[in-house]
Amino acid sequence: GAVVSQHPSRVICKSGTSVKIECRSLDFQATTMFWYRQFPKKSLMLMATSNEGSKATYEQGVEKDKFLINHASLTLSTLTVTSAHPEDSSFYICSVTGLEGQPQHFGDGTRLSIL
Amino acid sequence: AQTVTQSQPEMSVQEAETVTLSCTYDTSENNYYLFWYKQPPSRQMILVIRQEAYKQQNATENRFSVNFQKAAKSFSLKISDSQLGDTAMYFCAFMKQGNDMRFGAGTRLTVKP
Repeated sequence: GAVVSQHPSRVICKSGTSVKIECRSLDFQATTMFWYRQFPKKSLMLMATSNEGSKATYEQGVEKDKFLINHASLTLSTLTVTSAHPEDSSFYICSVTGLEGQPQHFGDGTRLSIL
Repeated sequence: AQTVTQSQPEMSVQEAETVTLSCTYDTSENNYYLFWYKQPPSRQMILVIRQEAYKQQNATENRFSVNFQKAAKSFSLKISDSQLGDTAMYFCAFMKQGNDMRFGAGTRLTVKP
């Protein structure tokens, strides 16, 4: 069964809207979750590391105020794309990690389209 | 910073044949983990195989095996008896302690009937 639930799978909205994407760990408590962005036919780019109970760690070049991450519980992390613009259109994927060295389990992704 | 290089943007193979996807990485770490993930058109990320750097023995999972050369920092994936369902993007991934994972650019594999 699924280890990670990501919702919604598809979002189409107008420019200027804020969009929230949820990532839930179903099988275990996750102190750390990851958010990736994937452009068409490109690889996954790590955006940020979501830490339960503390601030997220953002990769260089990722705007903290644009991509708000909240990890309020051990099973839920949210990514909010604030005041979204067409250039924010992309595929966003979250992942959950368990014990040290274990593979990350990925959500099914969210396809975000900003008109 | 760790980098992962996949030098083959696209590969194709005939059904039932064998294909090898290459991956090299750069790191100063001694303990780390390597993975191959498959991403079919559905865009779901599916774990194919995992290798621990401290293990010399190459990992195998059914038709999938790796050739891990730690000194050369090489981690290639061999797919035997290729099947049509193997058609996908394949990403090589490096993970250091702390579970921070970095991906290569990917190789698009097409299995031809």
